[in-house]
Formats: sequence, structure tokens, C-alpha cells
Amino acid sequence: EDQVTQSPEALRLQEGESSSLNCSYTVSGLRGLFWYRQDPGKGPEFLFTLYSAGEEKEKERLKATLTKKESFLHITAPKPEDSATYLCAVQAVSGGYNKLIFGAGTRLAVHP
Amino acid sequence: DGGITQSPKYLFRKEGQNVTLSCEQNLNHDAMYWYRQDPGQGLRLIYYSQIVNDFQKGDIAEGYSVSREKKESFPLTVTSAQKNPTAFYLCASSIDNRNTEAFFGQGTRLTVV
Repeated sequence: EDQVTQSPEALRLQEGESSSLNCSYTVSGLRGLFWYRQDPGKGPEFLFTLYSAGEEKEKERLKATLTKKESFLHITAPKPEDSATYLCAVQAVSGGYNKLIFGAGTRLAVHP
Repeated sequence: DGGITQSPKYLFRKEGQNVTLSCEQNLNHDAMYWYRQDPGQGLRLIYYSQIVNDFQKGDIAEGYSVSREKKESFPLTVTSAQKNPTAFYLCASSIDNRNTEAFFGQGTRLTVV
């Protein structure tokens, strides 16, 4: 069964304290792994797409990496404005169509 | 600006009523999706549409209905048959269904009163 698990569920950091969020997945033939940021009461905002093991992408203080079984979202020297829920999703094939399977997310709180 | 617009932002429904959530996009995307988000759970797919006049059920379609009469519009109706409709509903679109790099609207929070 295709599945996405994110850890930890919640993470509290001090401003400037770097850390990583984990997304482990099981899917038959990975066609893409996606990271989103979601602020409370808002829709998810697209961050990155990764397609193959070894691929890395960066945006400001965020860096996403991909292996054959998991992806990491590294946050370097975070600021309070990085506080949000980070969602991971994989593209899977089901019933002849492509769909996204989402993890439950990691709630990140960065304190000054 | 290109994007996806959902309305209303908040919606209250009495038991036994049908309500319709609006989703409009001007990204010229072929594929559109409806997801439901509940606390502590991942987003779950309700319905999706690959092209105008075509749509398929997702993982949790019972109690919901959709239409796709125009490329830009994909409204979702929550019927009285949906037993637990209180949730955050998100509409998304992608270029096509082969590429599911999806962009989301700002969501509609539906509450049953």
C-alpha cells in the first residue's frame, strides 16, 4: 500500500537552530515527491518537486533532498516566519490515474 | 495574477442541507482536484477531473458530487448524505494529470451547525 509518513509531528526550534524534517514513503514506482508549506487556515504553498534519488533543491533557508526511501527538508538558521506546517506528498498511480498521497505534516514553531 | 480562487472562505450548513463550494482557476490547467483536510490527517482526495466534462471519484467520494462544465471551474457539492462534512476543503489544479505538481486555493472551512 502506498504510504507517506512524516516525522516528527511537531518541532519547536529556537531562532537560528538548524534541523531537519523527515518524510518516509512506500510507493510503487516514485514519479515525484513534493514539499508544501501550509500556514494556519490557508491552502498549501508549493515549495519543491524531487524526482530521483540524489536530487537536491534549495530555496532560501530550505533544502530538500531525496533518497530511495525518504526525503528530508533541512532548515538552516530558521526565523520565526518559517513557522508553519510542512507537508510531504508522493505521486502514485491508482486506478489508471496519478494522484498525490499526503503525509499528515510536521508543525514547525520557531521562537525568537 | 494567475491562481486558484475558492469561495466562500467560511460556510455554515444546517443538517440535511446541500451546499456548494466554488473553485475557479485562471492557470489554464487541465486537471483539477478536491481534497478534504481534517486535523492530524493528510489531505484526502475527494474527486478529480482530467478534462472538461470528465471527472472521477477519489478515495472518499461518498456524499459529494462535482461538475466540470468549464475548464476554469470545478464546483463541489456536499450533500446531506455526507455524514461528517465539517472539515477544511481544498481545491487544486495541475497542468495535467501526468504532472501532479499541484497548486492550491486558500480553502473553504465548512461547519455543520
